[in-house]
Amino acid sequence: DAGITQSPRHKVTETGTPVTLRCHQTENHRYMYWYRQDPGHGLRLIHYSYGVKDTDKGEVSDGYSVSRSKTEDFLLTLESATSSQTSVYFCAIRNGQSTFFDGYTFGSGTRLTVV
Amino acid sequence: ELKVEQNPLFLSMQEGKNYTIYCNYSTTSDRLYWYRQDPGKSLESLFVLLSNGAVKQEGRLMASLDTKARLSTLHITAAVHDLSATYFCAVGLAGTASKLTFGTGTRLQVTL
Repeated sequence: DAGITQSPRHKVTETGTPVTLRCHQTENHRYMYWYRQDPGHGLRLIHYSYGVKDTDKGEVSDGYSVSRSKTEDFLLTLESATSSQTSVYFCAIRNGQSTFFDGYTFGSGTRLTVV
Repeated sequence: ELKVEQNPLFLSMQEGKNYTIYCNYSTTSDRLYWYRQDPGKSLESLFVLLSNGAVKQEGRLMASLDTKARLSTLHITAAVHDLSATYFCAVGLAGTASKLTFGTGTRLQVTL
């Protein structure tokens, strides 16, 4: 088991409030990712990290920021939550070493509702 | 921009029947992954296909990759109810920090 946990599992928040989701991993993986899942869209990449303090944008990054101050933690922040950010958020870590990439291990997900 | 399309989006099939899910992608790649997701759960890895002609089998599921056609298939043989889930394919491009682009998913419902 890759040892990846997400918190919280569920959250309801009001429009305009900031929200931070946490992804924690225990096996020193370098690459971490945040995706959102919405019906009809599959999973879409929000941001990713390739090391401590090294992050970059994905295809749906507007309204989101991330931070990675330690290898084990990757935080996703919604600066001012909107209803369009109601979604299920998944964190993932890259499996495999060096040039051999055999996909991701996903966290359990965070169901976020913005009211 | 890499695009990944799956079809069908929804598949209802009877137990014992065979069917195939298709995954087409728009840019040359030899890295394709299949995942399964049960309702309300996370995604779990099914298959990793890393070369043209790769074929992997696990139980009643078999996945293949044709990089020239930019096509992967997930074949279901003699479906059983336990296979009911949503199946996603995902494609990775070399040199892109291992980012994966996912298809929209195929929701499979196996009925008695």
